[in-house]
Amino acid sequence: DAKTTQPTSMDCAEGRAANLPCNHSTISGNEYVYWYRQIHSQGPQYIIHGLKNNETNEMASLIITEDRKSSTLILPHATLRDTAVYYCIVMGKGRDDKIIFGKGTRLHILP
Amino acid sequence: NAGVMQNPRHLVRRRGQEARLRCSPMKGHSHVYWYRQLPEEGLKFMVYLQKENIIDESGMPKERFSAEFPKEGPSILRIQQVVRGDSAAYFCASSQGRANYGYTFGSGTRLTVV
Repeated sequence: DAKTTQPTSMDCAEGRAANLPCNHSTISGNEYVYWYRQIHSQGPQYIIHGLKNNETNEMASLIITEDRKSSTLILPHATLRDTAVYYCIVMGKGRDDKIIFGKGTRLHILP
Repeated sequence: NAGVMQNPRHLVRRRGQEARLRCSPMKGHSHVYWYRQLPEEGLKFMVYLQKENIIDESGMPKERFSAEFPKEGPSILRIQQVVRGDSAAYFCASSQGRANYGYTFGSGTRLTVV
């Protein structure tokens, strides 16, 4: 089972920042937080991941709370092409660890 | 550097036939994962393979489904005697084998059983 809780859906106006929350209260010390998205039945696309520090790349920023029990994915300037299902995933570094997808958040970018 | 290549993109099979789905991982990736997505549902883990080894098949149906990742060539997901309920999108992902590197997904194979 997925170890994360996300809102079912969210709306965001085009050009604004989209902030997608995720709760992972049972995360353990060696588990990473990953974010992927799936745009209309395409293959999932990696966005970003982090352990405990905030991370930023060309796509997004990841803010992880100090207790690591929740995180927020930030798309700084959302476009219509960012409409997708966004998955927050917790995964360890062990040999047998694998990505387990939950239901994700369906993000609608409004024109 | 080509990404994860899956073929065919679309596959139509009659009930009772066999379906073979292929996945070529990214160059340098030795770990392959298969996921299934039924219409209007989420992605479900099926199997995790390394070269010539099945590491975790906890998500594979007990019958008719098998997977391999030979020393040479692509990973194959094989479905024997397909039924209408097998109609789904099947995605393959590959990684370098360390969780902190993440996975790269292919575009999927859409299987339709008629």
